[in-house]
Amino acid sequence: DAGITQSPRHKVTETGTPVTLRCHQTENHRYMYWYRQDPGHGLRLIHYSYGVKDTDKGEVSDGYSVSRSKTEDFLLTLESATSSQTSVYFCAIAETGLFSTDTQYFGPGTRLTVL
Amino acid sequence: DQQVKQNSPSLSVQEGRISILNCDYTNSMFDYFLWYKKYPAEGPTFLISISSIKDKNEDGRFTVFLNKSAKHLSLHIVPSQPGDSAVYFCAASLEKLTFGTGTRLTIIP
Repeated sequence: DAGITQSPRHKVTETGTPVTLRCHQTENHRYMYWYRQDPGHGLRLIHYSYGVKDTDKGEVSDGYSVSRSKTEDFLLTLESATSSQTSVYFCAIAETGLFSTDTQYFGPGTRLTVL
Repeated sequence: DQQVKQNSPSLSVQEGRISILNCDYTNSMFDYFLWYKKYPAEGPTFLISISSIKDKNEDGRFTVFLNKSAKHLSLHIVPSQPGDSAVYFCAASLEKLTFGTGTRLTIIP
């Protein structure tokens, strides 16, 4: 199993509060991704990183920011949580980002509930 | 706009029989297709993939078929086992992965 951990695993918070989710990897992979999984939508890409301090937006990036100050850590921040951000969040890593020769390995997920 | 669709939310199959999971896509530029399997409370795990230049890829009990003219992808599991019960996501790549909505497969002993 790829060494990916996510913290916290579960979180309940209130609307308007800031929330930070952490993804930590021990594989030294260059690419890291944040997805959210919702019923009827599958997994949708929020943000991704292709190196330290190099990040880009995915298809559902509004309301989220990310930071990557070290290869092993990728943080997802909800500046002011809303109920629509209640979801299960998955982090993934990949060595090259080329899906023809590479694959993404996923963390165990964080279940976030915004009341 | 859902570029990758899995129209069957759920599927039940008898143990030992063939399971066929389907996936349709709209973007002909996708260059690689993948299937992921997900158990409850765990992250998805990679299962099998296929390049857009091929029409079949096999790995043990799992075979993926690609019909580019129909923009259709299918995953065959033969024979189906109880441990195959999970949610299966198809995904298509064009620089990034686009996932389908998933199909919950239940194998009946």
